[in-house]
Amino acid sequence: DAGVIQSPRHEVTEMGQEVTLRCKPISGHDYLFWYRQTMMRGLELLIYFNNNVPIDDSGMPEDRFSAKMPNASFSTLKIQPSEPRDSAVYFCASSMTSGRLSYEQYFGPGTRLTVT
Amino acid sequence: GIQVEQSPPDLILQEGANSTLRCNFSDSVNNLQWFHQNPWGQLINLFYIPSGTKQNGRLSATTVATERYSLLYISSSQTTDSGVYFCAVPRDGAQKLVFGQGTRLTINP
Repeated sequence: DAGVIQSPRHEVTEMGQEVTLRCKPISGHDYLFWYRQTMMRGLELLIYFNNNVPIDDSGMPEDRFSAKMPNASFSTLKIQPSEPRDSAVYFCASSMTSGRLSYEQYFGPGTRLTVT
Repeated sequence: GIQVEQSPPDLILQEGANSTLRCNFSDSVNNLQWFHQNPWGQLINLFYIPSGTKQNGRLSATTVATERYSLLYISSSQTTDSGVYFCAVPRDGAQKLVFGQGTRLTINP
């Protein structure tokens, strides 16, 4: 399996621009997660989906952030408009469940976002 | 919510040394993961270990769920072991992982 795929790997944009990050989870996984990593706050969960449905978006910092999962193999995280404080590494992760059992999360390589 | 604390925050060792990293959590959990974030930023799965002991080569992990801690052992360290080690547990028994602040391990040649 190719693992979780994210694009782009690096993104540099100017304040006020729209940024779209993309993620392809591991095939067969029914959970998808978006995390953000910064020096100040460490790794924090932004939002997660189960079977393409958003379950918990309480970690999304503000209305400028939105996430979608139109199908089982694709998700986007959008920031509009972007601000310098959004600079961070954004990770996508996926996992699978079987009945009541949940399994480990696998992370993509991340997208390093710099907003100038 | 659940709290996760890792110790030590930093560890510097010579190649060949052994190390023990600790992860304490404030509430009962039904799973726990250890990750290695390498110098290129990739998060690599090491162990999924809700309880008991697992071994993978030079690495092993033990989780004592009743006492709310987990240990990661690295034996005969190599420079490629350098990076940050994170433990993570689910919040509220759900899929949401809460990460510790990590232990930064530096292995000098």
